[in-house]
Amino acid sequence: EVQLLESGGGLVQPGGSLRLSCEASGFTLSSYAMNWVRQAPGKGLEWVSGIRGGGGDAFYADSVKGRFTISTDNSNTLYLQMNSLRVEDTAVYYCVKGLQWGLLLGIDYWGQGSLVTVSS
Amino acid sequence: QTVVTQEPSLTVSPGGTVTLTCASSTGAVTSGNYPNWIQQKPGQAPRTLIYFTNNKHSWTPARFSGSLLGGKAALTVSGVQPEDEAEYYCLLFHDGDGLRWLFGGGTKLTVL
Repeated sequence: EVQLLESGGGLVQPGGSLRLSCEASGFTLSSYAMNWVRQAPGKGLEWVSGIRGGGGDAFYADSVKGRFTISTDNSNTLYLQMNSLRVEDTAVYYCVKGLQWGLLLGIDYWGQGSLVTVSS
Repeated sequence: QTVVTQEPSLTVSPGGTVTLTCASSTGAVTSGNYPNWIQQKPGQAPRTLIYFTNNKHSWTPARFSGSLLGGKAALTVSGVQPEDEAEYYCLLFHDGDGLRWLFGGGTKLTVL
């Protein structure tokens, strides 16, 4: 059974940093693309970043480019390093599995989300 | 700046049929945009229903179907059930100025 468990969210001041983790089980992370999607309170979904299988090429939304870094490691875990955080980065962050090694085709499984609050 | 547009809200009667659409500001939506459809109920994590235009996941009820319609991606729900009341988001792949996925603003489907 595929499961995605996010952790690492919390309260951080503007300009601060936070690292989200997504522990994957039921499949081998390196064989699939993975994504981070966020949802600000009361708002819609926003794709944040994606990475090809095996920790390959990474892609970012313009709103986070240069501040966020997506990565994976050999422990079947996906990460999102978030630097220079802004109030508008406040959201629930979801870890989302891709359907194949590349970013194409689409997505299937979602985690339950991790809340990040950026506030002074 | 590419924008993906959906109907903000739609209302359907139980047992009826409704079609939600998804348009791109760059032009016609094609299979090359790999349209996905995602359902989200209040207080829950999203759930993907459709991928690559018209493919269903194992958990997707048969009454949901995806297609391309008049230059847009479309999600049709036939024989709507009360539990289908939810927010629906389309997701399109774009490879213009950098590879990326873009969500539409969502359609609030009310079953009344």
